Order: sequence, then C-alpha cells, then structure tokens
Amino acid sequence: AQSVAQPEDQVNVAEGNPLTVKCTYSVSGNPYLFWYVQYPNRGLQFLLKYITGDNLVKGSYGFEAEFNKSQTSFHLKKPSALVSDSALYFCAVRDRRGSGNTPLVFGKGTRLSVIA
Amino acid sequence: SAVISQKPSRDICQRGTSLTIQCQVDSQVTMMFWYRQQPGQSLTLIATANQGSEATYESGFVIDKFPISRPNLTFSTLTVSNMSPEDSSIYLCSVGTSGTSSYNEQFFGPGTRLTVL
Repeated sequence: AQSVAQPEDQVNVAEGNPLTVKCTYSVSGNPYLFWYVQYPNRGLQFLLKYITGDNLVKGSYGFEAEFNKSQTSFHLKKPSALVSDSALYFCAVRDRRGSGNTPLVFGKGTRLSVIA
Repeated sequence: SAVISQKPSRDICQRGTSLTIQCQVDSQVTMMFWYRQQPGQSLTLIATANQGSEATYESGFVIDKFPISRPNLTFSTLTVSNMSPEDSSIYLCSVGTSGTSSYNEQFFGPGTRLTVL
C-alpha cells in the first residue's frame, strides 16, 4: 500500500525567509513523487515531480524539492518566501509499477502562511 | 496538459436532494478520477471512471450514493444522491494523461463547492 505523511498541518514563515514543507512517503517499490498547490477556491495546481536522476527537482514559482531515498522524504523548499505563496500544499505518490491511469495518493496537506 | 472545467462551481442544496456535477476535459483521456475534499481535509478518492465501463469505487463509497457516468472520452458526471450535511465538500474531477507512463501527473478541475443544509 502507498501512503504519504505530511507531519505539519500548518507552517508559518516570514516573507523573505526560506520555507520547507515536509513530506515522507511509503511505497512497496520505487516512487514517483509530486507536489501540488491549492489556492483558495481553486483546484490543485501541479508544482513539480521527481522521476529519476538528480535528487533536487526544480518546479514552478521558484519551488524545489529534494528527494531523499534513505529517509523516504520529498520536502518542498523555496529559498525566499512570498506572501503570495500562502496556500495549501499537497504531496502525492505513485508506485512506479502503476501507470498514468493509477490515481495518485495524497497527503493530508500543509497550510503555508507567509507573513509580511 | 489538460484543461478541465466543472459545473456548477458551487451550490447550496437541501437535505434529501441530489446534485449532478459535470466535468469536461479539452482532450481525450482514458481515466477520470473523482475526489472529495472535506473541509480542512485531504483529497479522498471516490471512484475511477473509465470510458465504456462501470466506475470503480473506493472503499466507503457506493454507486447508489455516488453514481457516475462516463459517456465519452472527454466528459463525466458525478451525482451526489440523497444528500445530507455530511456531504458538504469540494468535489474535484481529475484526469491522467493519455499515455500510460506512471510518472505523469494528474490534472485537476477547479472543483465544485457543495453545501448541504
């Protein structure tokens, strides 16, 4: 069975400071990992994904995420937070043995608040 | 990528009634997924809809309560039947890409915000 844990319900950070949103995963095989963002009254928007290769993945809006196989983690990061980054962030996983038609498994979400 | 629209965007309904949510995609897709996002919660998969076959429901969800149609490769509907206040949620339509690669992301519609009184 696949699962994703986002240990923090809420992350607060001052504007201009670096931010980290944590995610750990559990899959039987090797994972594909994804981050999505949900702004108020909007659907989920894809940010980035880890497929293979470089453990540091760069995505939209200046976000990046680091895949760590030994720690089974895929933390989302940004060097300098903006107030406009305030949103709900979801980590998701899919076992590589699945297909593009296998639904992603999502974490519970972490609400990021960036304070001016 | 795929562009997905949902109708209605929001609705307020009375207990005991039913609401049908429509999902339209701008390209042909094999699988469509319906999720529920209860207030302050994560996404819970309701069912997977493959064109031309019965939808596959996740544990805790049944066809009588959440009937799904998938008449073609670009459209699906989810009906929330005999609603109660516990059904108040955001309902999200999602699609995979037409390819079968498991590294492909899913795309989401804007969601339908349902409030049941």
